[in-house]
Amino acid sequence: NAGVMQNPRHLVRRRGQEARLRCSPMKGHSHVYWYRQLPEEGLKFMVYLQKENIIDESGMPKERFSAEFPKEGPSILRIQQVVRGDSAAYFCASSPLPGKRSNTEAFFGQGTRLTVV
Amino acid sequence: GESVGLHLPTLSVQEGDNSIINCAYSNSASDYFIWYKQESGKGPQFIIDIRSNMDKRQGQRVTVLLNKTVKHLSLQIAATQPGDSAVYFCAELRSSNTGKLIFGQGTTLQVKP
Repeated sequence: NAGVMQNPRHLVRRRGQEARLRCSPMKGHSHVYWYRQLPEEGLKFMVYLQKENIIDESGMPKERFSAEFPKEGPSILRIQQVVRGDSAAYFCASSPLPGKRSNTEAFFGQGTRLTVV
Repeated sequence: GESVGLHLPTLSVQEGDNSIINCAYSNSASDYFIWYKQESGKGPQFIIDIRSNMDKRQGQRVTVLLNKTVKHLSLQIAATQPGDSAVYFCAELRSSNTGKLIFGQGTTLQVKP
């Protein structure tokens, strides 16, 4: 059973380009969380999605960022018109169920390291 | 505002000694507290968690202590090994509906041989 798969592992974009980050949850997991980690900092929650639904996007910047988790295929975090401040590691976690006990067993992917030049 | 914070940014210990990593939190309504280990270039790895109605939980070589009176959480690692070198994060689970985690800044543990 493969773990949470994120790709690409490293992504370099010029300012103004678009970045697409993909996350395939563990088999049987239908809940996906995206977090951002700036250098020397902890992870910051961005968005929580279930299949075809955004449940909590309270951590998403109001502009340029969007996320989806379609019925088929991976979850996508999309950043339009990237700026240098978007450079960070973006982690995806999946779990079989939301909430207390199950989320403590959320499994994280290896992350996508975005560098904006 | 609400936050989860760590006392020390870096902890250096001798191999074989015990390590204690501390964390303070501010939201007394949180249900769970979790410790994660993050090695360089990797994602966070779950170590151990504790419910808010407990004050101690033990795992293999690790113990988590929760003091709700002073809103303090600690991770104790017994007989620290070089493989324990990593950044350790405490995280707070709020909102049982969504299960999102609130992470602290992290403590770097350096194990000296």
